[in-house]
Amino acid sequence: AQKITQTQPGMFVQEKEAVTLDCTYDTSDQSYGLFWYKQPSSGEMIFLIYQGSYDEQNATEGRYSLNFQKARKSANLVISASQLGDSAMYFCAMREAINNNDMRFGAGTRLTVKP
Amino acid sequence: NAGVTQTPKFRILKIGQSMTLQCTQDMNHNYMYWYRQDPGMGLKLIYYSVGAGITDKGEVPNGYNVSRSTTEDFPLRLELAAPSQTSVYFCASSYSRQGANYGYTFGSGTRLTVV
Repeated sequence: AQKITQTQPGMFVQEKEAVTLDCTYDTSDQSYGLFWYKQPSSGEMIFLIYQGSYDEQNATEGRYSLNFQKARKSANLVISASQLGDSAMYFCAMREAINNNDMRFGAGTRLTVKP
Repeated sequence: NAGVTQTPKFRILKIGQSMTLQCTQDMNHNYMYWYRQDPGMGLKLIYYSVGAGITDKGEVPNGYNVSRSTTEDFPLRLELAAPSQTSVYFCASSYSRQGANYGYTFGSGTRLTVV
């Protein structure tokens, strides 16, 4: 069963504006980790940010922040001050502690930053 | 730093042929993974390894084999290639620890076409 859902196949944002990419997940495990990856057109996968299920504060890494709402099982990625170089595919992923060798990925959201 | 190196970057196979996708990492990571990414989809786990001599199946292992004779190398073998194996293959590695918050380090991918 699909455990990670990204409902936005594509998103557009104006340069210098903020954008939120949605991610919901499904798990019965109490301990898990949530990840976001960026995949530029060149194809490599770049790790952006991590949120643990027991972390009380939302994770932040530079212009990236993760809006973690545990009760709603959502882990949205917020990119502030968008740059042209942010145009890429973005994947949400989850790894459960009970099976921490299996990181499951969503289908991705293609973000396009307009000048 | 080289990180995770995959070869080849591109390959075209005929139906029924075999090949080995190479993956090497120089970060002394215990954990290594093989994923495939079909067009417009997220990544799916094929096989993983928690250390030299130890491998296990992921979500989509059929048609593939792996071995892990050293910490550095984790080759993926395709036997009797089929059109359904046309995909982009990613190798990844990470530090080991249950529930660890380490994102994976990915290779640049191998684009395989089976005709």
